[in-house]
Amino acid sequence: DADVTQTPRNRITKTGKRIMLECSQTKGHDRMYWYRQDPGLGLRLIYYSFDVKDINKGEISDGYSVSRQAQAKFSLSLESAIPNQTALYFCATSDYRTGGADTQYFGPGTRLTVL
Amino acid sequence: AQSVTQPDIHITVSEGASLELRCNYSYGATPYLFWYVQSPGQGLQLLLKYFSGDTLVQGIKGFEAEFKRSQSSFNLRKPSVHWSDAAEYFCAVDFQGAQKLVFGQGTRLTINP
Repeated sequence: DADVTQTPRNRITKTGKRIMLECSQTKGHDRMYWYRQDPGLGLRLIYYSFDVKDINKGEISDGYSVSRQAQAKFSLSLESAIPNQTALYFCATSDYRTGGADTQYFGPGTRLTVL
Repeated sequence: AQSVTQPDIHITVSEGASLELRCNYSYGATPYLFWYVQSPGQGLQLLLKYFSGDTLVQGIKGFEAEFKRSQSSFNLRKPSVHWSDAAEYFCAVDFQGAQKLVFGQGTRLTINP
């Protein structure tokens, strides 16, 4: 079974709809992240969470919100979807390491299309 | 602003040829450096990482990368590519150990038979 799962894998929605993307992990990591990928722009950080009570905005948080329901679950919501939020969304996790960075492990992605 | 640049959007090489993908980053202090690969329709897989020590690091699938402090670069190399290496490659940097990654724009690699 995959360590980091994302649901749904594909979603088509209409402008103005509320949509939630979900991420679950079995790696036991404290830290979770949401990125979006756009062609030619690489991945950009939307939100990140270092533990259940810690939520931080990333580079492009406008129009998004998140919820860390448990250590293993981190959801991304689009309150009112717009077409320029059409993108590939990735969840990632990492483990805390004193004095240094650690590898981030990525889910398979959710392809979201907003019409 | 902290940034990561991959100058080559698309590279095409012949199978069996050598490969070098470039990555440059801003900021003066030694950051933590990563290369990820994304196969079509897949998530990102870590190829290798550099935190400290030997500036030449070995990764999976026969890849290596060299950190050059004076050039703020972390270029990825492979001596002989295989058709299965066709994918998109991302350089990522954790500046100041912030536990957040800044990604480059990605380089799409095409392999000619």
